[in-house]
Order: sequence, then C-alpha cells, then structure tokens
Amino acid sequence: EIVLTQSPGTLSLSPGERATLSCRASQSINSNFLAWYQQKPGQAPRLLISGTSSRATGVPDRFSGSGSGTDFTLTISRLEPEDFAVYYCQQDGYSPPWTFGQGTKVEVK
Amino acid sequence: QVQLVQSGAEVKKPGSSVKVSCKPSGGSFRSYVISWVRQAPGQGLEWMGGINVVFGTTNYARELLGRVTISADESTSTANMELRSLLPNDTAVYYCAAGRRRDRYSGSPLALWGQGTPVTVSS
Repeated sequence: EIVLTQSPGTLSLSPGERATLSCRASQSINSNFLAWYQQKPGQAPRLLISGTSSRATGVPDRFSGSGSGTDFTLTISRLEPEDFAVYYCQQDGYSPPWTFGQGTKVEVK
Repeated sequence: QVQLVQSGAEVKKPGSSVKVSCKPSGGSFRSYVISWVRQAPGQGLEWMGGINVVFGTTNYARELLGRVTISADESTSTANMELRSLLPNDTAVYYCAAGRRRDRYSGSPLALWGQGTPVTVSS
C-alpha cells in the first residue's frame, strides 16, 4: 500500500503570500497518477490538479503542481482569501488502495 | 454537466448495516470510475473503495475488507455502498465521487463529488 505523507500539517500565511505544500509517497508513483484536492468547511472536496500538474476545469492558474517519483508539490503563487482551506493529495494509479494524504491546512496568519 | 446525488442521512445502531446510493443527474456514469470516500468529524479523507463501472472491477481499502461492498447498476445508473457490522467510529460523512475511466485497472482523479451523506452510528 502506498502511504502519502503531507507536510506541513498546518501552514499559517497571509493573503498574497506563496504557499508550498508537500506530498511524499512511500514508493515511487507514476506522475500521471497524483492528484490534489481542496476542501472548505462543510463542503465536498474539489479536484484541483490531476496527473501531477494538470489543472482541473476552472482552477485558477495561481495553483500549480509539480514533482516526480516520491516527492510532489502543490504551489499557490499568491494566496487569495478563498484559498484558505485544507488540501489533500491522492494517488490513483495501478496500485490500489487509492489513498489520500492526511491533509495540509492553510490558515490565515 | 453530470452531478452526483446521494441518498439522505442515516442513523444506525452498532452492529447493523447501512447502504448509501449515488445517482448521476444529467448523464450516465458508464464511463466513470466511482470511489467512496468518508470523513469522520474533524478528520481527513479516507478512501474506502472504488468500482470501474463498465468492467465491474472493485478495489477496497484493506481495513474495510469484508465489511464493505461497492456496486453499480447500469440499468438504474445507481452506485451503492454497503457497510456492515457498523461501529460508532464509522460515524462520518460518506461521499461518492467519480472520474473518467482511463483504463481497466487504474483509478481516476475525482472530478465529480456528491453532496455527502451523514451516517451516525449510535446506540
């Protein structure tokens, strides 16, 4: 089973700042199979990024994904007020279970 | 645009079973891989299992094997998740989510999400 470890657990930043979120896998993942989700309180998650770096429909270009092998990153170039939320990575490849990381909360400093 | 509509909230006794359904509105889910994801209060997302609808293949989280069954009925365009032998720590919001099928064996990024079904397990 592939375990995904996200860091940090909480990121305290101000609007306008850059956010860098990490997702580390316990074994190598094909970059086609790493996704990122955003979840706000009381809402279902929303797909942001698939295949490591492809933005989903309607996702602003301040969100970008990168990485390979076991290390993946979600970057928010300039935080907007609506970006404060919890972010999860997930692997969805040929090695089920298709686990999620434990999440990173981006909160207002 | 396909949306996923889930069945309503449930309250169950420990040891009983719950079945949650998920139906796409505005289209068929034949081209999709459907996952069930749950979220206990204040906790993160837990992937429970998934089904590749057209092939009928299923995968489950190891810790739920034997207690969970995921199915899809193409004739009614309905996906179901049944969880048995409920425990109080099964109390959670249960989501169905779906993504376009890529091939027979992989999962899919979950572009569509249902509204969530709260399930409370309490004596």
